[in-house]
Formats: sequence, structure tokens, C-alpha cells
Amino acid sequence: QVQLQQWGAGLLKPSETLSLTCDVSGGSFSGYRWNWIRQPPGQGLEWIGEVNHSGSTTYNPSLKSRVTISLDTSKIQFSLRLTSVTAADTAVYYCARMKTVYARDAFDFWGQGTMVTVSS
Amino acid sequence: AIQMTQSPSSLAASVGDRVTITCRASQAIRNDLGWYQQKPGKAPKLLIFAAVSLESGVPSRFSGSGSGTAFTLTISNLQPEDFATYYCLQDYNYPWTFGQGTKVEIK
Repeated sequence: QVQLQQWGAGLLKPSETLSLTCDVSGGSFSGYRWNWIRQPPGQGLEWIGEVNHSGSTTYNPSLKSRVTISLDTSKIQFSLRLTSVTAADTAVYYCARMKTVYARDAFDFWGQGTMVTVSS
Repeated sequence: AIQMTQSPSSLAASVGDRVTITCRASQAIRNDLGWYQQKPGKAPKLLIFAAVSLESGVPSRFSGSGSGTAFTLTISNLQPEDFATYYCLQDYNYPWTFGQGTKVEIK
């Protein structure tokens, strides 16, 4: 059974860099896309970006200038960096796997979520 | 970016009811739409993908329909564990975008 376990700093000051890692167990990177999604308190879900198994990335234009998603194939982990954070970046951050079945996509496995608070 | 609009934003229903949630896309997205269930403090869970395909392990009382710009999620015979917030997601083109959510509450 595939499991995604994520971790990272939960409290940041404005202008600092958010850094989260997601470990994938029970599966491989091949054939999937690896995503980050966030959810501000009491609000809906926002897609941040993804990396495929070969390291190619796609980002949400609203965050593109500040986001880097990378993968470590040796550890079967992928990571999120978000620079110059502000209070607006306060949210629960999720990692998620996107599967593709007959050219149809879906987020089928999710991490447990990490609450990140930005406060001075 | 494609805008996804869900309705209603919340509803109250009883166990055994049939519930329908609608999602509309700001442009045609073929059937590139998924439905997710989220309970408080938990990650979303995939229910339906490609508008109509039931994810493995999801009860058959959940069903999806639609294509183009209009989609529905139907829960027949609502069960106590179905009280949650439901989100649609378009995966037609980047950036992937979610609806704002529909909270299903106990009447």
C-alpha cells in the first residue's frame, strides 16, 4: 500500500523560506506525478505544482516565481520550497500522488498534511 | 485559469437521503473532472475520476455524471460517514483548480 509521509517546519517568520519533504513508501516514482496542494484555514484547496518522475515541473502561475518542487529518486522523496513567505501562505500543505489511467488523472494518495503558520 | 463553481455551498440532509452536488466549469473540460471528500483534519479522499469512474474501494452509492461544463456528484442513501465537505477538481489543463467545496451537514 502506497503511503505518503510528509514533514517540515511548522512556524515561519515573514520573508523566510518554507521547506517541506514528502516520503513515498510502498511504490515508485515511475509513471506518476508528484504534487503539492495547500488549504488555508477554513478555506478551499489550491494546487501549487507538480514534478514528474523524470524531474520535469509545472507550477501554478500564481506562485511560480517563489516555488521549487524537486525530487530525490534515490530516497523516493520529493520536496517543496516556497520563498519569501507572508501570512497569506499560512495553510495546511499536502503532498499528493497523481495517477494517470487511460489518459485520465486523479490524486489517489495524499500525505497527512502539515500546518504551516507564518507569523512575526 | 479555469474557474470551478460548486453549488450549493452547503446543504443539510438526513441519513438515507439522496444528495446531489453540482460543479460547473468556466470552459469545457471534456470529462476531466474528479470528486474528493474531505473530513475535518484529514486529507481529501478520491471518490470519482474522469467524471464517472468510481475509485477502487469507494462505495457504489457515490456516482458521478456530466461532461463539458456541467457535472454532478450524487450520493444515494446517505450514510453517517458521508457527512463531510466535497470538492470537484478539473484536471483538463494547468493550473489544476478546485471548486470551493460543498459541506454536507446533518439535518
